[in-house]
Amino acid sequence: TQLLEQSPQFLSIQEGENLTVYCNSSSVFSSLQWYRQEPGEGPVLLVTVVTGGEVKKLKRLTFQFGDARKDSSLHITAAQPGDTGLYLCAGKTSYDKVIFGPGTSLSVIP
Amino acid sequence: NAGVTQTPKFQVLKTGQSMTLQCAQDMNHEYMSWYRQDPGMGLRLIHYSVGAGITDQGEVPNGYNVSRSTTEDFPLRLLSAAPSQTSVYFCASSYSYPGLAGVGGELFFGEGSRLTVL
Repeated sequence: TQLLEQSPQFLSIQEGENLTVYCNSSSVFSSLQWYRQEPGEGPVLLVTVVTGGEVKKLKRLTFQFGDARKDSSLHITAAQPGDTGLYLCAGKTSYDKVIFGPGTSLSVIP
Repeated sequence: NAGVTQTPKFQVLKTGQSMTLQCAQDMNHEYMSWYRQDPGMGLRLIHYSVGAGITDQGEVPNGYNVSRSTTEDFPLRLLSAAPSQTSVYFCASSYSYPGLAGVGGELFFGEGSRLTVL
C-alpha cells in the first residue's frame, strides 16, 4: 500500500515569516501535486511536478520534487493571512489514481 | 460556471438508512471520483470512473456503490449507512487521468457533502 506522510500536521506562524512543509513516502510516484483547501470548500490545485529534482515557483510559493520522486516540499516566503488553509499533497500511483496525504494545516496570524 | 456540483450539502441519517449523494459536472470531463475526508486522514478514494459505463474501486470502497450512466453524473450510494461512514464526501473530476502534467490532470472538486450517521 502506497502512503503519503506530511509534516508538520499543524503550523501557526506570524505574517511575514517563511515556512516549509514536507510530503514524504517510501514509494516512487510518477508525479506529485499540491492542493490547498479552505474551510467549507474543496481542494484547489496549486502545482503538478513530474520530474525528479524539478523546482516550480508560483509567486511566493516554491515547490520541489525530490530526485528519487519519493518526496516533495513546499516553501512559502513572507507568508500572508491569505495563505491560511490545509495543504495537501497527492501522488500519482497508477495511470488512473492519485492518493492524498493527510495534509498540513497552516494558520498565518496577522 | 457551475463546475462540479454536489447535493445535498448536509445530511443526517440513522443507522441502516440508505441514501444517494449526487454529483454532476458540466466540463465534459471523462474522469470522475469520490473521496471521503476525515480528520487527520486526508482524502481517501472510494470509487472512480474513467468514462461512462466504467467504474472501479478505490482505497475504501466497502459500503458504497457507484454507477456512471452518463458523462455528467456520478452518484454515490450508501445502501445501509453506518456511523463509520460519518464524513465529508467530495466528488472530483478531471479532463484526463488525474496527476498528469498540464490542465488534463487537474482534479476539480465540488464543495463537499457533510454526512452524519447516528
